[in-house]
Amino acid sequence: DQQVKQNSPSLSVQEGRISILNCDYTNSMFDYFLWYKKYPAEGPTFLISISSIKDKNEDGRFTVFLNKSAKHLSLHIVPSQPGDSAVYFCAASSTNTGNQFYFGTGTSLTVIP
Amino acid sequence: KAGVTQTPRYLIKTRGQQVTLSCSPISGHRSVSWYQQTPGQGLQFLFEYFSETQRNKGNFPGRFSGRQFSNSRSEMNVSTLELGDSALYLCASSFRQGAGEQFFGPGTRLTVL
Repeated sequence: DQQVKQNSPSLSVQEGRISILNCDYTNSMFDYFLWYKKYPAEGPTFLISISSIKDKNEDGRFTVFLNKSAKHLSLHIVPSQPGDSAVYFCAASSTNTGNQFYFGTGTSLTVIP
Repeated sequence: KAGVTQTPRYLIKTRGQQVTLSCSPISGHRSVSWYQQTPGQGLQFLFEYFSETQRNKGNFPGRFSGRQFSNSRSEMNVSTLELGDSALYLCASSFRQGAGEQFFGPGTRLTVL
């Protein structure tokens, strides 16, 4: 049972434009959400996180939005750069489950120069 | 500070065999989690160890087991390998249990023939 879903397996965006990656979850107990970026032959690297007490968190070109009522979060990358081309995973956890994170299936982002 | 290391990086086994994978966390990190990544399934949580004790376990059969040593290094064992066990196995470490940001190793690519 996939509790975290990324329904778009791939996304292509022109350099300089906005990239929007989406993630939906089903478990209303989730209260902490993260985005990871993964390059081929490397492990995922942490990008940005948000707790359920917030609805937005920014870090440079990356902003994560959380809509708790819709059980939806999104990652905005502005402006997109070719180096952003990677697979992006969203993940969610509950303080009740410690470090047990539930990951989505990933969205492969391609930024076209 | 050295990152998370995993050995071996690649492994080829045949059905019915068993395999042991190793993970060395970042120095000072006491929590180690293991994930299985397969196409279309994303990262599936296997288990988490903290201070040599298994704290959380995902929904995998008993053929998957692990342990953690006093120096926080962890091993994962899969017995009676099946074709469906072919995957990338990722290890992630964090300073404490429940920490949001995990640091991933590059993974071990297991192929079962």
